[in-house]
Amino acid sequence: NAGVTQTPKFRILKIGQSMTLQCTQDMNHNYMYWYRQDPGMGLKLIYYSVGAGITDKGEVPNGYNVSRSTTEDFPLRLELAAPSQTSVYFCASSYWVREGYSNQPQHFGDGTRLSIL
Amino acid sequence: GENVEQHPSTLSVQEGDSAVIKCTYSDSASNYFPWYKQELGKGPQLIIDIRSNVGEKKDQRIAVTLNKTAKHFSLHITETQPEDSAVYFCAARGSARQLTFGSGTQLTVLP
Repeated sequence: NAGVTQTPKFRILKIGQSMTLQCTQDMNHNYMYWYRQDPGMGLKLIYYSVGAGITDKGEVPNGYNVSRSTTEDFPLRLELAAPSQTSVYFCASSYWVREGYSNQPQHFGDGTRLSIL
Repeated sequence: GENVEQHPSTLSVQEGDSAVIKCTYSDSASNYFPWYKQELGKGPQLIIDIRSNVGEKKDQRIAVTLNKTAKHFSLHITETQPEDSAVYFCAARGSARQLTFGSGTQLTVLP
């Protein structure tokens, strides 16, 4: 059981380039999330998805796009990389039905460290 | 929206001593409070969580307490060991049903 897998682990981009951060989970979780973590800061939610075909913005969505075509995969797209997007990106997943149900906590991948120069 | 403040930002303790990390939250509708441990180069891992209908929860050397009236919750680690050294994050799930994280505490356990 691999859990949440993120690729690549490291990447350096030039300003204006684009890339996709990959995230896949094998726990059949319905919820998936993308966070960014800046030095000395907590995690900020970028986008999340409550199921295939459904995505919604988090706290810091500008400059990013996501899609959720399958339960397992939740890629994050940077279209025009900017230095402010230098960060560590974490994908997470959880199983949530409703309050009081046997909901599962969020499980995180090991992150993608992205530098934009 | 929810705001979570975490203190201290760094904490050094002698091996065998206790460590306490405190968090406050702003959304009175928050009902779920997890704690995550993050080791260098890894993603956060859940170590303990508590729901709003419980005041305290314990798991071996780790305990979490919740004071809903004061809107604060704390992580207690007893008999600390070198492998407890890591960054610890608190979080709260508010009315938006998303987790809001504190800024983290770097815990160092000195041998």
